[in-house]
Amino acid sequence: NAGVTQTPKFQVLKTGQSMTLQCAQDMNHNSMYWYRQDPGMGLRLIYYSASEGTTDKGEVPNGYNVSRLNKREFSLRLESAAPSQTSVYFCASSVQNERGDTEAFFGQGTRLTVV
Amino acid sequence: AQSVAQPEDQVNVAEGNPLTVKCTYSVSGNPYLFWYVQYPNRGLQFLLKYITGDNLVKGSYGFEAEFNKSQTSFHLKKPSALVSDSALYFCAVRDRRNYGGSQGNLIFGKGTKLSVKP
Repeated sequence: NAGVTQTPKFQVLKTGQSMTLQCAQDMNHNSMYWYRQDPGMGLRLIYYSASEGTTDKGEVPNGYNVSRLNKREFSLRLESAAPSQTSVYFCASSVQNERGDTEAFFGQGTRLTVV
Repeated sequence: AQSVAQPEDQVNVAEGNPLTVKCTYSVSGNPYLFWYVQYPNRGLQFLLKYITGDNLVKGSYGFEAEFNKSQTSFHLKKPSALVSDSALYFCAVRDRRNYGGSQGNLIFGKGTKLSVKP
């Protein structure tokens, strides 16, 4: 049971470089999320996709773009990386229902360092 | 606006003793409340959730949490701590009334590091 799979697990970028973080889930979930985790800050939502073809900004979207390629895949792109984007990035997915009472399942994370 | 507070950065407990990790929340409407655990270099794992009904919720690995509406709290508890419970614990809330779009997504606390000593 793969669940939520993120690639890569680690990445070092130079300031100004671009990259795409990949995320795929095999649980047939409608909703997918990208969070960043920073020490003392908890998890902060970057972008959210309620279903294929839709995306919404979260709390900290600046400097990022996303693509919901299909129901399984939700990628996060950094067009021009900055040191402030050094963080651990988590992808998550959940069933979407009208009540909103479902828990999210998380990937293993991508540790990104921008130098 | 929704918010979650975990007032303790770290909780230290001796193995075999009861543990409590505190969480308070603020939402406009009624909340859905969640607890997650994160082991080192791993993603978050779901422990338990409160949706409605009984205020005492039981979850994985012997953990439970008590929803207290008057105190807007959802503290995580375990009667007897294990060394293997040492991890980072996150409380999260979703406002039922604002569900949909980014406003209806999970808001996480900053996390509490639980350390259980033998």
